[in-house]
Amino acid sequence: TQLLEQSPQFLSIQEGENLTVYCNSSSVFSSLQWYRQEPGEGPVLLVTVVTGGEVKKLKRLTFQFGDARKDSSLHITAAQPGDTGLYLCAGDSWGKLQFGAGTQVVVTP
Amino acid sequence: KAGVTQTPRYLIKTRGQQVTLSCSPISGHRSVSWYQQTPGQGLQFLFEYFSETQRNKGNFPGRFSGRQFSNSRSEMNVSTLELGDSALYLCASSLGVGLGGETQYFGPGTRLLVL
Repeated sequence: TQLLEQSPQFLSIQEGENLTVYCNSSSVFSSLQWYRQEPGEGPVLLVTVVTGGEVKKLKRLTFQFGDARKDSSLHITAAQPGDTGLYLCAGDSWGKLQFGAGTQVVVTP
Repeated sequence: KAGVTQTPRYLIKTRGQQVTLSCSPISGHRSVSWYQQTPGQGLQFLFEYFSETQRNKGNFPGRFSGRQFSNSRSEMNVSTLELGDSALYLCASSLGVGLGGETQYFGPGTRLLVL
């Protein structure tokens, strides 16, 4: 059973469109991290959010941490083919990272 | 700085055998964590080592074990392999100061196939 539920599981969009990926849990986390993983590689950290209600922007990516620190979202504006990958959220639970199942994003030119 | 390296990158074993995977963390990092990634279960935490001691453990059977050396390099061992152990095994290193949200840097993984 995944403590962190990610939705949708798969997203296929055209270049230039926007997309949002959600990460929800019934548990409270001290921090939540978003990673992107490409085939044949390990996950790469995109951002860490710590404070409830926090919003962080990384170029075209916007990350939001819920007020209760149980959920988060990742929004990509004007997606590009280079954004293609598996997006994973992970909650820090007493030093152990609990990962969601991931959202596979495919951006076609 | 060199990243996290894992060896071997690919491995094929048969049921009942055992396997040892190796991970070299980023220089200066003292914490090494291991994860198993499968299509069905996603990324699951195996264990974390810090200063040669296991500091955290996930919910995996005793067939999965690990150790860490004085230079922070780590190995994990899986004995009596089962078909379900086929997975990508990822190693991640961090400074290990124990602060929440500490950045973990992942290696490329070892892909294990059990036949």
